[in-house]
Amino acid sequence: EIQLVESGGGLVQPGGSLRLSCAASGFNLISYWMTWVRQAPGKGLEWVANIREDGSETNYVDSVRGRFTISRDNAENSLYLQMNGLRVEDTAVYYCVRTLLRTSSSGGLDKWGQGTLVSVSP
Amino acid sequence: DIQMTQSPSSLYASVGDRVTITCRASQGIRNYLAWYQQKPGKVPKLLIYAASILQSGVPSRFSGSGSGTDFTLTIGSLQPEDVATYYCQHYSGAPDTFGQGTKLEIK
Repeated sequence: EIQLVESGGGLVQPGGSLRLSCAASGFNLISYWMTWVRQAPGKGLEWVANIREDGSETNYVDSVRGRFTISRDNAENSLYLQMNGLRVEDTAVYYCVRTLLRTSSSGGLDKWGQGTLVSVSP
Repeated sequence: DIQMTQSPSSLYASVGDRVTITCRASQGIRNYLAWYQQKPGKVPKLLIYAASILQSGVPSRFSGSGSGTDFTLTIGSLQPEDVATYYCQHYSGAPDTFGQGTKLEIK
């Protein structure tokens, strides 16, 4: 069974840091791009960052670029999101998501973790 | 960045109705579009990718169409279990933006 299990969320003050982890099982992480998606309470989905299979390429949404870092350890079947300089507006559930190859006949985010809640508050 | 605009933002329909949700991209994205369903309190689920290909296990009453900038998600005959918020997302190049969502409820 394919599973993605996030951890590391919690309550932090503005300006603080958190490191989210995602443990993947049931598939070979090295074969997939991976993505972090977040959802603020009562709001829609927001794409945050993604990373190539081998970690050689990363992309970020403008609002987190320079503050967040996505990384992976394929040997450990794990994905990470280092979040520095946290702001109140970063409060959200963060999902770790397996990402299908982008082609004219493929693509999308096909397996989602249950999410981990990050709360940023004074 | 490419912006994705869904309409309507909310929708009431009756069981058995044909329901259509539209998604417009701010520039052409070929067919690099996915649709997701998020039921209340649940994790999003991939319904359709490449604009029109049904993900394995998704009921055949769901269908997608479109290319370029204009896309539609259609539910052929609405069922009570289809109550959810639906999101489109492009993946033609980062950031892979989502639409704002369409909340579908039963009349």
